[in-house]
Amino acid sequence: DTEVTQTPKHLVMGMTNKKSLKCEQHMGHRAMYWYKQKAKKPPELMFVYSYEKLSINESVPSRFSPECPNSSLLNLHLHALQPEDSALYLCASSHYRGIAETQYFGPGTRLLVL
Amino acid sequence: AQTVTQSQPEMSVQEAETVTLSCTYDTSESDYYLFWYKQPPSRQMILVIRQEAYKQQNATENRFSVNFQKAAKSFSLKISDSQLGDAAMYFCAYRSASGANSKLTFGKGITLSVRP
Repeated sequence: DTEVTQTPKHLVMGMTNKKSLKCEQHMGHRAMYWYKQKAKKPPELMFVYSYEKLSINESVPSRFSPECPNSSLLNLHLHALQPEDSALYLCASSHYRGIAETQYFGPGTRLLVL
Repeated sequence: AQTVTQSQPEMSVQEAETVTLSCTYDTSESDYYLFWYKQPPSRQMILVIRQEAYKQQNATENRFSVNFQKAAKSFSLKISDSQLGDAAMYFCAYRSASGANSKLTFGKGITLSVRP
């Protein structure tokens, strides 16, 4: 089973709102990722968690706050977003090292900031 | 830094025909992984095929195969017997084998349409 799930599928929020995106996997992967993807563009890496610890932050604005409460869950907390933050937010997971480092993606949350 | 180039933004293929999507990359490393991901419109990005750089044999997954030319740093994807469901955006990606946190470097992607 190579399933990564994400909720919600769609989210509309105002610039003063606080919301959270959720990602879950039960493949025993210990690396989890957040990406941002604009239409017709490749995904852009935002954060990487390894063994529940933040290992990479790609200079993402502080209005995005990631959290990894356990090895299966990854959250992205959103606050005071801008309209240009509207995008598809993808979660992915992989084994930590070795040949099985293939990243498996979730279906994404399509975010619209008004 | 590694770069991945997909120079063709769009391609079209007739159903049941064969199409080849091009990808080149630049790296100074000798050990790495290469991937092709497929992303249908408004649908999930899924792994199509992957290749380990140390393997000389080209990877194959059913109708999908790659032509991996390490010296030329080329990694093309061949889709045989194209089906309507193959219509999607395809991304070529590179990942270093050194370091557990090595990032995926994506190409810009190519949009493949399939004509019935």
